[in-house]
Amino acid sequence: DGGITQSPKYLFRKEGQNVTLSCEQNLNHDAMYWYRQDPGQGLRLIYYSQIVNDFQKGDIAEGYSVSREKKESFPLTVTSAQKNPTAFYLCASNSANPNQPQHFGDGTRLSIL
Amino acid sequence: QKEVEQDPGPLSVPEGAIVSLNCTYSNSAFQYFMWYRQYSRKGPELLMYTYSSGNKEDGRFTAQVDKSSKYISLFIRDSQPSDSATYLCAMFKGTYKYIFGTGTRLKVLA
Repeated sequence: DGGITQSPKYLFRKEGQNVTLSCEQNLNHDAMYWYRQDPGQGLRLIYYSQIVNDFQKGDIAEGYSVSREKKESFPLTVTSAQKNPTAFYLCASNSANPNQPQHFGDGTRLSIL
Repeated sequence: QKEVEQDPGPLSVPEGAIVSLNCTYSNSAFQYFMWYRQYSRKGPELLMYTYSSGNKEDGRFTAQVDKSSKYISLFIRDSQPSDSATYLCAMFKGTYKYIFGTGTRLKVLA
């Protein structure tokens, strides 16, 4: 079955540490996205990528970095510069036509040790 | 003013009830509207996708868009305990940007 796989499901970060969240899709989608979900807030866009080797900052990109070396993969690194990283992180994708709905993975819960 | 407003709930209903979930929005340029269902510790699952004003039905779910009032609704008929989840509305803003509501928590009591 086609879908989006995020790993790990739970992740713990120590002070000063960078951590990387994995997102892989086999839907043959061109566009991929990273969102952050906090209680009582809507999903907030961190980064998005329309095609391989290209990505754009979203609304809350500070303290995060991404890469898009393969169509199927869009990893997110939470750097030590992100002072409040505890959240639920969601990866999404959709076809080249951006008005098509996004499909989501099952998320990674990041917590501070 | 937020671009999308959604009552957070929780909304508790008895099994078999008709559920009405709603979002209001401020930007008249929005044309594509989505409803997602999110279970605890899971990602959002697409339920309905509609374009412009009107109704769309899929099984027990009906999505309704009223662009003149900037108001969208999701109706769930014959609600089941398995429908207990958080429901998110979303709208396409343009240039790969989507706006999401904060979600409404629904509890269907057996």
